[in-house]
Amino acid sequence: GAGVSQSPSNKVTEKGKDVELRCDPISGHTALYWYRQRLGQGLEFLIYFQGNSAPDKSGLPSDRFSAERTGESVSTLTIQRTQQEDSAVYLCASSLRENTEAFFGQGTRLTVV
Amino acid sequence: GQSLEQPSEVTAVEGAIVQINCTYQTSGFYGLSWYQQHDGGAPTFLSYNGLDGLEETGRFSSFLSRSDSYGYLLLQELQMKDSASYFCAVRDVSNYQLIWGAGTKLIIKP
Repeated sequence: GAGVSQSPSNKVTEKGKDVELRCDPISGHTALYWYRQRLGQGLEFLIYFQGNSAPDKSGLPSDRFSAERTGESVSTLTIQRTQQEDSAVYLCASSLRENTEAFFGQGTRLTVV
Repeated sequence: GQSLEQPSEVTAVEGAIVQINCTYQTSGFYGLSWYQQHDGGAPTFLSYNGLDGLEETGRFSSFLSRSDSYGYLLLQELQMKDSASYFCAVRDVSNYQLIWGAGTKLIIKP
């Protein structure tokens, strides 16, 4: 596609439920990033993929969070047993490895009630 | 490790010039980038400095000094639509990961 696509754009879930957030990067972009952004705050790094490998998982806040990427394309961020503190916008970005410009999707706004 | 520091908030007047600074501590990086994010929107790329010096793109300019571990974004002829958060970022040479500053909220007054 022309840009980074994330789905769903909005998600309301009950506390304790699992959610899956999807990111379709720009075709050919080998690097993919997930960030969390709370209202009025900066970008909180979650995980980075180079191809299908995740060299840096240090940002995942707990073992309830996991992510995978397949075919050097689509990535899924899964949050298990959601908590109210997980409510935030989850942003995905992709870039060419050697090119510094990152392209962001519009994000998934997650609300845990 | 890598870290970038920016002021949390800057206030300026419409039509004026404002400079947003970014200082960093990094063992090696591929240049400094700037991104703009409007409330409710996604960050969008503004500029990149791979080499020391000034890069100009319309009303926006960006500067990098590797010897001083310092860069800045300069916005001229401020317009109300420039009200947004601005993030600096570097790409780590060891793993190509993007490292981000915490962002500067630019408030523009009429």
